[in-house]
Amino acid sequence: DVKVTQSSRYLVKRTGEKVFLECVQDMDHENMFWYRQDPGLGLRLIYFSYDVKMKEKGDIPEGYSVSREKKERFSLILESASTNQTSMYLCASSSPSSGQETQYFGPGTRLLVL
Amino acid sequence: QQQVKQSPQSLIVQKGGISIINCAYENTAFDYFPWYQQFPGKGPALLIAIRPDVSEKKEGRFTISFNKSAKQFSLHIMDSQPGDSATYFCAASIANFGNEKLTFGTGTRLTIIP
Repeated sequence: DVKVTQSSRYLVKRTGEKVFLECVQDMDHENMFWYRQDPGLGLRLIYFSYDVKMKEKGDIPEGYSVSREKKERFSLILESASTNQTSMYLCASSSPSSGQETQYFGPGTRLLVL
Repeated sequence: QQQVKQSPQSLIVQKGGISIINCAYENTAFDYFPWYQQFPGKGPALLIAIRPDVSEKKEGRFTISFNKSAKQFSLHIMDSQPGDSATYFCAASIANFGNEKLTFGTGTRLTIIP
């Protein structure tokens, strides 16, 4: 069964803190994605990775960075958290090599920056 | 720049009725149009998807209608049930040799009332 897990369901951080959000998939998928979800704005792509150590900017990369050292793990880093980064963060993975474009999502991390 | 416009933002339908959610896109290079369903506390999950070579796809009570000339597609839920209450996202992507990125609409919160 397909599974994408995210390290935390809820996080509360202070402005200026460095924040790490972790995502792990157990499906040997090549592609992994980080989105943020905000009411009225839908899902917006922050970064994605199509291979280990490869990354590409999405639509809203400012203030974020990512790391993919292993195929199954994709980390989102907020170098200096700000209140406008309070949001729901969703990780997803996909395997285009298997002929499917379906993205499988984790349950999300709700981040509050005070 | 919003490339996929979704409406309505929220929708209330009586049990047994038909729920209709609409999306319009601008980029004619899009060639894959999925709908994702998200329940509270969960990540989105693929519901149904269509490619532009067909005008309609049906899976159980869920149907996608696709109008290539109008650059529009819609989700129809027949015999809507309380269990269909969720947020629905349309999306679109362009085939890109395994680097496909989804562009999501802003979402529709559907509530089915008894």
